[in-house]
Amino acid sequence: SQTIHQWPATLVQPVGSPLSLECTVEGTSNPNLYWYRQAAGRGLQLLFYSVGIGQISSEVPQNLSASRPQDRQFILSSKKLLLSDSGFYLCAWSLVLPSGANVLTFGAGSRLTVL
Amino acid sequence: DQQVKQNSPSLSVQEGRISILNCDYTNSMFDYFLWYKKYPAEGPTFLISISSIKDKNEDGRFTVFLNKSAKHLSLHIVPSQPGDSAVYFCAASPASGGYNKLIFGAGTRLAVHP
Repeated sequence: SQTIHQWPATLVQPVGSPLSLECTVEGTSNPNLYWYRQAAGRGLQLLFYSVGIGQISSEVPQNLSASRPQDRQFILSSKKLLLSDSGFYLCAWSLVLPSGANVLTFGAGSRLTVL
Repeated sequence: DQQVKQNSPSLSVQEGRISILNCDYTNSMFDYFLWYKKYPAEGPTFLISISSIKDKNEDGRFTVFLNKSAKHLSLHIVPSQPGDSAVYFCAASPASGGYNKLIFGAGTRLAVHP
């Protein structure tokens, strides 16, 4: 069965420090991978998606970047964190149901607090 | 511009009664609509979906209704249980297949009390 892992689960970082959040998927090959962020009162915002190794698309301009060094690995990074980067970050991969609906399956999330 | 809107940030329902969560959208090109459930400090989990060519989909206690003319969908939970207490996100997909840019609403926090 397919599983998705994210770490670390929680992270407290000072402003200006670097960031690396990692996501790996097991039990599938060549998945479409996504990074979402949940901000208070704003729902889930798509940050990046990737359809293959080295292929990254950014949805919103920001202080963050993403990389996909391996088929089942997706990394979210920042060189210098801002206070506004605080939030709950979610990695996901997509699966097509028999109904045809393309469903995202999310990891457990990483809570980032920037102080 | 929010393409998917959940105008009620919270809803409180008594156990055993019906919970109705609402969602409005603006883009008539959305292909699928989905509901996700999220507990604190966890990732959202998929609950139920509906294709834009249907007006109802049922799965156990959960039913989703789609009114395309009104650009409105709703999730009905009958009967509501305390374990249903969570944040519910409505989401819409602009296309099926390939990568999936799900667009989410802001969520509605459901509290089911005894």
